[in-house]
Amino acid sequence: AQSVTQLGSHVSVSEGALVLLRCNYSSSVPPYLFWYVQYPNQGLQLLLKYTSAATLVKGINGFEAEFKKSETSFHLTKPSAHMSDAAEYFCAVSARGDTGRRALTFGSGTRLQVQP
Amino acid sequence: KAGVTQTPRYLIKTRGQQVTLSCSPISGHRSVSWYQQTPGQGLQFLFEYFSETQRNKGNFPGRFSGRQFSNSRSEMNVSTLELGDSALYLCASSVDGGPPPGNTIYFGEGSWLTVV
Repeated sequence: AQSVTQLGSHVSVSEGALVLLRCNYSSSVPPYLFWYVQYPNQGLQLLLKYTSAATLVKGINGFEAEFKKSETSFHLTKPSAHMSDAAEYFCAVSARGDTGRRALTFGSGTRLQVQP
Repeated sequence: KAGVTQTPRYLIKTRGQQVTLSCSPISGHRSVSWYQQTPGQGLQFLFEYFSETQRNKGNFPGRFSGRQFSNSRSEMNVSTLELGDSALYLCASSVDGGPPPGNTIYFGEGSWLTVV
């Protein structure tokens, strides 16, 4: 079964510092991977997606992620954190279930705090 | 283009009651999925509907059900509510539920259910 693991439930960075949120996947086939962001009291917003077209994926709000097959990773980065980046971030994989249909399987989430 | 719309945003129910949540997908999207988000279990897939038919189901008891109408709008119902059903219920839509990149999944703001 395909799954994702997010390392670190909480990450704290200073404003202007590099943001690195870690995600490792488990899949026997090329995966479809996603990063979603959830701001307080809101739903999930798609940040970026990997669908095998390019290993470095650029998303919204200055975020990007690199797919590394050798490390089974899809870490999310942003060169310079902004206060507005404070939110919870979820890595997800589009996985086939027993019915053969796809659904998203999410990691446990990483809450990003940005210190002034 | 309007996003995924969920109603109501917040509701409080008593144990033993039932609740119905509504979701209108993005225009042109025919696949609607539901996810439950709780602090303990994280984000979990409930079920997916396409053309008024449930074609994928997560590991939830039969108290959780749903339906889809001919205009792709969907409702989910939880009967005999338990305290543990308190959660954020997220609706998501995609074009036809197939694989990415053509079928990116977009989420609504969610319905916050509190069971007392």
